[in-house]
Amino acid sequence: GENVEQHPSTLSVQEGDSAVIKCTYSDSASNYFPWYKQELGKRPQLIIDIRSNVGEKKDQRIAVTLNKTAKHFSLHITETQPEDSAVYFCAASKVHSGAGSYQLTFGKGTKLSVIP
Amino acid sequence: EPEVTQTPSHQVTQMGQEVILRCVPISNHLYFYWYRQILGQKVEFLVSFYNNEISEKSEIFDDQFSVERPDGSNFTLKIRSTKLEDSAMYFCASSVGRGDTEAFFGQGTRLTVV
Repeated sequence: GENVEQHPSTLSVQEGDSAVIKCTYSDSASNYFPWYKQELGKRPQLIIDIRSNVGEKKDQRIAVTLNKTAKHFSLHITETQPEDSAVYFCAASKVHSGAGSYQLTFGKGTKLSVIP
Repeated sequence: EPEVTQTPSHQVTQMGQEVILRCVPISNHLYFYWYRQILGQKVEFLVSFYNNEISEKSEIFDDQFSVERPDGSNFTLKIRSTKLEDSAMYFCASSVGRGDTEAFFGQGTRLTVV
């Protein structure tokens, strides 16, 4: 089955600096890669996702890049703010033609701390 | 904004007891999921459900687990005989489409088995 590795497990940055979180996946058939943000005691919430037909996607201060050949994808947060502090999870999923593999396989998470 | 809702938020049960965790997915969603997160660890897939049947399940989802959609709105996870290692946060999720569309998560039920 799919295996998703995520690094680093913890990351501390100064407010205003950039943060980068990296994930690798094992199944070359995976084609959907969401990123979830989970604040302490709250539900995971989707912040950005990318499909395998694109290499990069950006939404304001957040961007995700995908390298299908190397099977890795990264989350980039620019101009970090204290409210960005949370645990971030990457995930991978795949969809076969005519059916869906419905499960998300998550990485272990990165605890991001933004220091004011 | 529509949300996935779960009840209860916290459940404490004795080992060996049965528990039922309840979820109300977003109304126009067709795919339903249960995930669990043991404290400090990653979110793990348990089961997906579509068209009134299980679509996929993980090795965690053994015979002690079952899911049901008893009516048009609720989606339940039953653990028949709880074990200490079942203690975790259980998240329900739903999505409009298949595995390449956004899954919306509920706020979770913290299950503590004592």
